[in-house]
Amino acid sequence: QQQVKQSPQSLIVQKGGIPIINCAYENTAFDYFPWYQQFPGKGPALLIAIRPDVSEKKEGRFTISFNKSAKQFSLHIMDSQPGDSATYFCAASGYDYKLSFGAGTTVTVRA
Amino acid sequence: GAVVSQHPSWVICKSGTSVKIECRSLDFQATTMFWYRQFPKQSLMLMATSNEGSKATYEQGVEKDKFLINHASLTLSTLTVTSAHPEDSSFYICSARGGGDEQYFGPGTRLTVT
Repeated sequence: QQQVKQSPQSLIVQKGGIPIINCAYENTAFDYFPWYQQFPGKGPALLIAIRPDVSEKKEGRFTISFNKSAKQFSLHIMDSQPGDSATYFCAASGYDYKLSFGAGTTVTVRA
Repeated sequence: GAVVSQHPSWVICKSGTSVKIECRSLDFQATTMFWYRQFPKQSLMLMATSNEGSKATYEQGVEKDKFLINHASLTLSTLTVTSAHPEDSSFYICSARGGGDEQYFGPGTRLTVT
C-alpha cells in the first residue's frame, strides 16, 4: 500500500513554464517531506524539504507548498529549463526516518 | 558536502554467485544507512535500515538471508546479494543520514544477473 500518492505520472511544459507536481499522504505521523530529482541511471538528489509547521518554502527555482489540513504538498518549478527534465519523487518520513516515496513524475521541459 | 558513494557502479554476475555492494559517506558520519531497490520506471522501495554496530532491520517481504547487510563503521555499509538469480537484477541505491532528517543518496549500482 503506497503511503504517498503522487500525480501526475508525467507532464510536459515549455521552457519557462511552471510544472506542478502534487502529493498526498494519509499517515499523520509523517513530519518530514522531501523532494528528490533523479536523472536516468543516477541516484536521487535531494532538492528541497519541508516540515508541517511551514506552509511554503522556496529554494532557488523550487517551491514547496504544504497544506497540513488537507495532507497534501506540492512542488513548483519556476522558470523551468530543459535541464530540469528528470523524474521527481516526493517522499515522507516520521520518527524512524524511513522514507516512503511517491510513484514519481517524469517532467519534460521542451526548449 | 553530503556526498555518498557506491561501488561498483555496475556489475554483471552469473546466477548462483554472490555480489557485494559498498556504500560510503565521504564527508560525514552516517548515523543510519538505508538500502533501496528500484526497478525500471518505478519508484524506490526500501529494503532495509542499518545502524552502525547493530543488526539491520528488513522491510516486510525482503529476505534477510539473501540480502546481507553489514554496517561496519559510521561511513561504510555493505549489501551482499547471496546466490543471485536473474530476478534480483535491479538498481540498488543506498542512502545515508547524518544527525538530521536529510538522507543523501548514492549514485546507485546496476546489478545484472545472467
